[in-house]
Amino acid sequence: DQQVKQNSPSLSVQEGRISILNCDYTNSMFDYFLWYKKYPAEGPTFLISISSIKDKNEDGRFTVFLNKSAKHLSLHIVPSQPGDSAVYFCAASAWVASGTYKYIFGTGTRLKVLA
Amino acid sequence: GAGVSQTPSNKVTEKGKYVELRCDPISGHTALYWYRQSLGQGPEFLIYFQGTGAADDSGLPNDRFFAVRPEGSVSTLKIQRTERGDSAVYLCASSPYGLDTGELFFGEGSRLTVL
Repeated sequence: DQQVKQNSPSLSVQEGRISILNCDYTNSMFDYFLWYKKYPAEGPTFLISISSIKDKNEDGRFTVFLNKSAKHLSLHIVPSQPGDSAVYFCAASAWVASGTYKYIFGTGTRLKVLA
Repeated sequence: GAGVSQTPSNKVTEKGKYVELRCDPISGHTALYWYRQSLGQGPEFLIYFQGTGAADDSGLPNDRFFAVRPEGSVSTLKIQRTERGDSAVYLCASSPYGLDTGELFFGEGSRLTVL
């Protein structure tokens, strides 16, 4: 049962345009939603997160939108740059009784920004 | 270094052999996670530790997999009688207690190839 889904395995966007990456989830108990960026042969690096009590979080060129009723979040990158080309993972976390978060990741979307 | 360190970065072994993968988390981080990433997939949860204890090992695929964190810092993932299907990148991540972004800090991973 895939609790976090990224239905688009790849996306190509022209430099300077907006990139929109989508993510759907099934568990309404998630506390945080996070986006990670991964380059080949490197570990994922944190990009931006949003608390489940908010509907938008912005950090420079990156904005994450959360629609709880639809159980959907999206990452907007404006303007897109060639260096943004990477695999983007959506993740969701839930606080568990042992005193930390449990994280579930989506399968990733490969973004290619064309110069 | 300041980040999560994983060794070895690459490991090639033969089917049936025993393998150990090591993770050195960021100093002071109490939570430590192991994930496995197969080609074209997102990170798949294996186990996490809060301090020295395994708080949740529900992601370990079978009893050939075991992980320890004896002093609450360095962790070792142990795989017995390796199979070709164990080939993947094994990612370690750590997190401080109570971080409000819910962020996980990943290492670069250990790529395991079982021939």
